[in-house]
Amino acid sequence: EIVLTQSPGTLSLFPGERATLSCRASQSVTSSNLAWYQQKPGQAPRLVIYAASSRATGIPDRFSGSGSGTDFTLTISRLEPEDFAVYHCQQYGSSPYSFGQGTKLEIK
Amino acid sequence: QLQLQESGPGLVKPSETLSLTCTVSGGFVSTTSYYWAWIRQPPGKGLEWIGSVYYGGSTYYNPSLKSRVTISMDTSNNHFSLELTSMTAADTAVYYCARLRGSVAWHWGQGTLVTVSS
Repeated sequence: EIVLTQSPGTLSLFPGERATLSCRASQSVTSSNLAWYQQKPGQAPRLVIYAASSRATGIPDRFSGSGSGTDFTLTISRLEPEDFAVYHCQQYGSSPYSFGQGTKLEIK
Repeated sequence: QLQLQESGPGLVKPSETLSLTCTVSGGFVSTTSYYWAWIRQPPGKGLEWIGSVYYGGSTYYNPSLKSRVTISMDTSNNHFSLELTSMTAADTAVYYCARLRGSVAWHWGQGTLVTVSS
């Protein structure tokens, strides 16, 4: 099973700043089959990025994903108040599909 | 507008079987374009993939739960279901249903909290 480790656990930033979230896999993720989800308190996750770097429908272009192999990054270029949430990465290249433990992005 | 709605008991006793249903509106579970999945999240923790079902009966289960899980589809009522046997406190979680495209969860239900307690 591929274990995904997200860092940092919590990231404290001001609105307007740049956020960089990391997701590291214990083995190479097949074909960059990695997704990022945003989750706000009391809500279901929402797809942000799929295939490592493709934005989901309706996601603003300040969100970008990059990486391949075992190292992946979600970048938010300029934080808006609505971006503060928990972000989960997920690999879907190998069975069983697995998620990271999440990074909480909080307002400083 | 696609909507998914989980339903089922909020409280289950240890050793009992959990049965949840995900009712789909604004789309059809019988479409051949998508898989349908169950994902759970223990309180304060990360997400865990339970399994998925495809029209025609094809299923995929997380090996860690495979011996206890059954996911099925009811096309006449446009829903799909989860059964999880031998429930323990470790199964306490918010259970989400989702529609997959290319194994990615594009659409989610709001989730339902299931607590295992006597």
